[in-house]
Amino acid sequence: DSGVTQTPKHLITATGQRVTLRCSPRSGDLSVYWYQQSLDQGLQFLIQYYNGEERAKGNILERFSAQQFPDLHSELNLSSLELGDSALYFCASGKRQNTEAFFGQGTRLTVV
Amino acid sequence: DAKTTQPPSMDCAEGRAANLPCNHSTISGNEYVYWYRQIHSQGPQYIIHGLKNNETNEMASLIITEDRKSSTLILPHATLRDTAVYYCIVRAFSGGGADGLTFGKGTHLIIQP
Repeated sequence: DSGVTQTPKHLITATGQRVTLRCSPRSGDLSVYWYQQSLDQGLQFLIQYYNGEERAKGNILERFSAQQFPDLHSELNLSSLELGDSALYFCASGKRQNTEAFFGQGTRLTVV
Repeated sequence: DAKTTQPPSMDCAEGRAANLPCNHSTISGNEYVYWYRQIHSQGPQYIIHGLKNNETNEMASLIITEDRKSSTLILPHATLRDTAVYYCIVRAFSGGGADGLTFGKGTHLIIQP
């Protein structure tokens, strides 16, 4: 158990819908990272927050957004969902002074 | 971040040492070598990282060549539970964790009984 909690574990929704994925980082971790893993793309970095502020952006679509709240949990919002958004979405957290990231068990999103 | 090259797959007998190579010939002086692994559909798991000295922890050893252009992850006594995709990642140390890790395709290590 990495200490990073992601909910829900599974999500099935229809095209065009909007969903919210939630992540609770390890205690004391200020950085939260979001990754997408699809069969054909591998693990792709989406976005990073540090202590409530956006720090880095990767291959995140404009239909996707995220935020980190004062209690340090984070949410990833996916809107206007398409079939190709079906994937595993991982959250990871890390401390300030090193870059070891600890991953949650992921949310499996299926868009039908 | 420097690019890494890993073999797509490897086999190893259970109980033997698994040696996973990684080439990173364009590594810069301030870049660390990180290893993660991912057991099927689970979240990636941090294994070890190093700059230029060899490192060892309870999971594995990391051997970095003197010129730092390649490294080897060693699992000393592989078990069936070590079957996973292993990712070698090179990145600069960043105190604020300024960007995410860049995962390549990794090496699929299969431990044979």
